[in-house]
Amino acid sequence: AQKVTQAQTEISVVEKEDVTLDCVYETRDTTYYLFWYKQPPSGELVFLIRRNSFDEQNEISGRYSWNFQKSTSSFNFTITASQVVDSAVYFCALSEASDYKLSFGAGTTVTVRA
Amino acid sequence: GAGVSQSPSNKVTEKGKDVELRCDPISGHTALYWYRQSLGQGLEFLIYFQGNSAPDKSGLPSDRFSAERTGGSVSTLTIQRTQQEDSAVYLCASSLVSQGNNEQFFGPGTRLTVL
Repeated sequence: AQKVTQAQTEISVVEKEDVTLDCVYETRDTTYYLFWYKQPPSGELVFLIRRNSFDEQNEISGRYSWNFQKSTSSFNFTITASQVVDSAVYFCALSEASDYKLSFGAGTTVTVRA
Repeated sequence: GAGVSQSPSNKVTEKGKDVELRCDPISGHTALYWYRQSLGQGLEFLIYFQGNSAPDKSGLPSDRFSAERTGGSVSTLTIQRTQQEDSAVYLCASSLVSQGNNEQFFGPGTRLTVL
């Protein structure tokens, strides 16, 4: 069974603050893939990043960074120097190598105030 | 190129009526998925198509739901005898292949309201 938990329901910050979104997952597979998607007010889910279970190297892309730790089954996402346009719902998702379905967390609503 | 498109963007229907939701995947994408997003259930997988293989219908909530994919491209999700609990945003996604490591690209969704 797959399970993705995003414990934070809502986060509100002032512009330029950093925001870290938590994601904890459960899977019995040794090979799996983790994703972050962003859903702005327009409603369309936008793919942000994919990480493989065998690659724990963390990554920074502009103002976004990811911290993947297999030991704690966590895949956290940080927005540095947040901007109003970052306001959206962020979803963490998991798929297993033998599968194709995405299992989504409940989402974290991020509100960035000017 | 164009992304995943869905129509209609909004659909309001009366309880008991049938509805059809359409999805046009990204050209060249062989895998197509339907998900549902509702307040109570979050994002749920409904059905999956890959090429000419039999679809995976394991996520369909009841036999009132069905879907088909014609010619390996356009897909239609049909809900018969709609109920109020069917109200949700129905999202379609496509990916290049069906392996777990391929990102799925989502359409804008169809917001279904059953009165």
